[in-house]
Amino acid sequence: GAGVSQSPRYKVAKRGQDVALRCDPISGHVSLFWYQQALGQGPEFLTYFQNEAQLDKSGLPSDRFFAERPEGSVSTLKIQRTQQEDSAVYLCASIETGELFFGEGSRLTVL
Amino acid sequence: QKEVEQDPGPLSVPEGAIVSLNCTYSNSAFQYFMWYRQYSRKGPELLMYTYSSGNKEDGRFTAQVDKSSKYISLFIRDSQPSDSATYLCATYTGNQFYFGTGTSLTVIP
Repeated sequence: GAGVSQSPRYKVAKRGQDVALRCDPISGHVSLFWYQQALGQGPEFLTYFQNEAQLDKSGLPSDRFFAERPEGSVSTLKIQRTQQEDSAVYLCASIETGELFFGEGSRLTVL
Repeated sequence: QKEVEQDPGPLSVPEGAIVSLNCTYSNSAFQYFMWYRQYSRKGPELLMYTYSSGNKEDGRFTAQVDKSSKYISLFIRDSQPSDSATYLCATYTGNQFYFGTGTSLTVIP
């Protein structure tokens, strides 16, 4: 596609539910990032993939967060047993020649 | 200490004003500096980038890096209502991008 596509755009979950957020990067982009953006804050790094390999997951806040990119294209960020502090916008980005191309984000609200 | 610090504002200016947005960074090894613009409920998009010190101009926008003081600036001349957005400074090293908190700018017609 023309840009990075994320779905769903909005997700409301009850505390304790599992959620899955999808990212479809720009075709041909090898590297993919996930960021978490809380209200009024800048994007905070979660994890980084190069093709299907997860090279850095140091930003994942707890073991409830899990990301995968099994075929080196579409990526899924999964959050298990959601908590209120997980409420944020989750941004996916792919990169080419040093420029990050972001999707519009998935806004997660945990009640 | 965060890698990049940014005054969150908010900043409100009349149309036509000159806007100055500023950040500081902590690591003198950083070489690449970027400004991203983020409209409400959208993802950030790259506005400008600079390498090392100096100025870079693109239309009404000028990005400036002062490595001696670890200071990054973005100047917007003749600001327009369409410039109303959050501006994020960022730096990059290896495979890590570090973002400031963003400055919210409103340009009033």
